[in-house]
Amino acid sequence: QSVLTQPPSVSAAPGQKVTISCSGSSSNIGNNYVSWYQQLPGTAPKLLIYENNKRPSGIPDRFSGSKSGTSATLGITGLQTGDEADYYCGTWDSSLSPYVVFGGGTKLTVL
Amino acid sequence: EVQLVETGGGLIQPGGSLRLSCAASGFTVSSNYMSWVRQAPGKGLEWVSVIYSGGSTYYADSVKGRFTISRDNSKNTLYLQMNSLRAEDTAVYYCARVAGGGDIDYWGQGTLVTVSS
Repeated sequence: QSVLTQPPSVSAAPGQKVTISCSGSSSNIGNNYVSWYQQLPGTAPKLLIYENNKRPSGIPDRFSGSKSGTSATLGITGLQTGDEADYYCGTWDSSLSPYVVFGGGTKLTVL
Repeated sequence: EVQLVETGGGLIQPGGSLRLSCAASGFTVSSNYMSWVRQAPGKGLEWVSVIYSGGSTYYADSVKGRFTISRDNSKNTLYLQMNSLRAEDTAVYYCARVAGGGDIDYWGQGTLVTVSS
């Protein structure tokens, strides 16, 4: 069971918008930056969003991130079939010794 | 260009040991936080360990006492020594660079470790 909670799956039609939630606690999301990762089938994860809402170079502005309290949200607009992937949220947890925590992942299906 | 290339994975019997290597290029390993993250077949991401630029190390409870993260500054390489391996350690192991804000900005391609008799 993951420390961060994500929905197992979401789906939407091409061109539509989807949001993926990530819920944590004060020891992780509440006091640390959240990042989001995209993992296409058979490949390594790729950084999508860092420091809650920033996009690395090369990531289109269709992808956005936000954080409020102990929850974070990834938004994807103008869905494309190439966006079908697993999406993970991640952050640090400082409850005892510091360590990284991930959500369980959300499978995005573009219908 | 930043690159991380893992090697050392393979099939190993339960109780055995294996050392993974991660050769880095395009940046200096010792100046960054570096991590190992694993992914069991069909499962999500699981953080394994981190080594800070200052040398401090931390581990997930699931591997504490069995795995050791280290680096060789002269070779710009990160390592993960895995002892007393169990079936549940079977996974793709990714080497990763941790950026200043705590996010993982670069990932290796991964190396598969299979623990089975």
